[in-house]
Order: sequence, then C-alpha cells, then structure tokens
Amino acid sequence: EVQLVESGGGLVQPGGSLRLSCTAAGFTFSGSWMTWVRQAPGKGLEWVANIKGDGSEKDSVGSVKGRFTISRDNDKNSLYLQMNSLRAEDTAVYYCATLRGSSDTRFFECWGQGTLVTVSS
Amino acid sequence: DIQMTQSPSSLSASVGDRVTITCRASQSIITFLNWYQQKPGKAPKLLIHGPSTLQSGVPSRFSGSVSGTDFTLTISSLQAEDFATYYCLQTHRTPYTFGQGTKLEIK
Repeated sequence: EVQLVESGGGLVQPGGSLRLSCTAAGFTFSGSWMTWVRQAPGKGLEWVANIKGDGSEKDSVGSVKGRFTISRDNDKNSLYLQMNSLRAEDTAVYYCATLRGSSDTRFFECWGQGTLVTVSS
Repeated sequence: DIQMTQSPSSLSASVGDRVTITCRASQSIITFLNWYQQKPGKAPKLLIHGPSTLQSGVPSRFSGSVSGTDFTLTISSLQAEDFATYYCLQTHRTPYTFGQGTKLEIK
C-alpha cells in the first residue's frame, strides 16, 4: 500500500523559510515522479512543483519560482520542498502526491494527508 | 497558461439524481484531463484520468467524457457519500491547472 506522510509545516513569519518533507513507502520511490500541490484555506487546489524520479528534471509554477525548490533523497525515500521568502499568500495545506503517466495520460495518483503552512506575523 | 473553466461552482441535488460537471480548457489538452473528489479536511482522491479511465476502486456510477476541449464528469445515480467538492485538472502542459471546483450539496 502506498503511503505518503508530509511533515514540516507550521507558523512562520513573512520573509521566513520552511522545509517540508514527504516520506514515501509502498512503491518504488526512485522510479516515480513526485509533485507538490497546495490549497489555501477555503480555496481550490494549486499545483506547485514536480520532480522526476532521478531528480534530473524539475518544474514549478511561476508564483514560486526563485523562492521554492523541490528536491528528493531516494536513499531516504523522501521528497522535499524548501520554501524561502515566504509570503502571506503561501499560507496553505501542502500535499505531496505521486505523479504517474504514459503517452496519453498523466495524473496525481496517491496523496498524503497534507501539512499546514501558515505565514503570518 | 491553460485555463480550466469549471461549471457549475455549486450544485444541489438529491440521492439518486444524475449530475454532470463540466470543465472547458482554454486550448487543446488532448486527453490530459483528470477528475478528483475532495471531502472536507481530506486529501483529494483520483476518480478518473485520461479523461474517461476509471481509477481502480472507484464506483462505476462515475464516468468521464470529452468533446473537443469540453470535459464532463457524470455521476449516474448520486449516493450519500458522493456529496463533496469535485475538481478537474489538466496535465497537458505546465503549469498544471485545476478548475475552480464544484461543491455538490444535498438538496
């Protein structure tokens, strides 16, 4: 059974930093694309970033480029999101998920329970 | 960026009703469209991908279809456990984008 457990969320001041972690189990982590998705309180879902299984390819949404960095440690079956220069609008629940696909489909399949990040003074 | 326009934003229905939710893409996304269900305080759950392949374990009352850039999620006979918020997601090009969501409520 696939398990994804996020951690590292909390309260941080504007301009501060936080590193989220996602620990994976139950599948071949090193062979899997992974993604981060966030959801502001009472709002919809927003894709944040992707990373390939070997870490060689990454992409992220424009609003976080230059501030957030996605990375992974396949020896530890762990995915990370380093968040710098945090703003109030980054306040959200952050989910990690597996990203599966083929030539004609691509989807976020299994999700963690989420971790809440609150940016406030 | 590809915009996904989802409608309606909310919907009231009764158990046993047939409901449809639509997402329109601002440009071609071919078949890279997925549907998710989210209940309060929970992570989204994948229902359909590609855009008509039912995810394993999802009841057959859920179905997806496409006509050009218009994608539809249909629930053939609503059950009590289906009252939730539904989102579409395009994964054709980054930034991947979700629809605004449809909150399905009990009438």
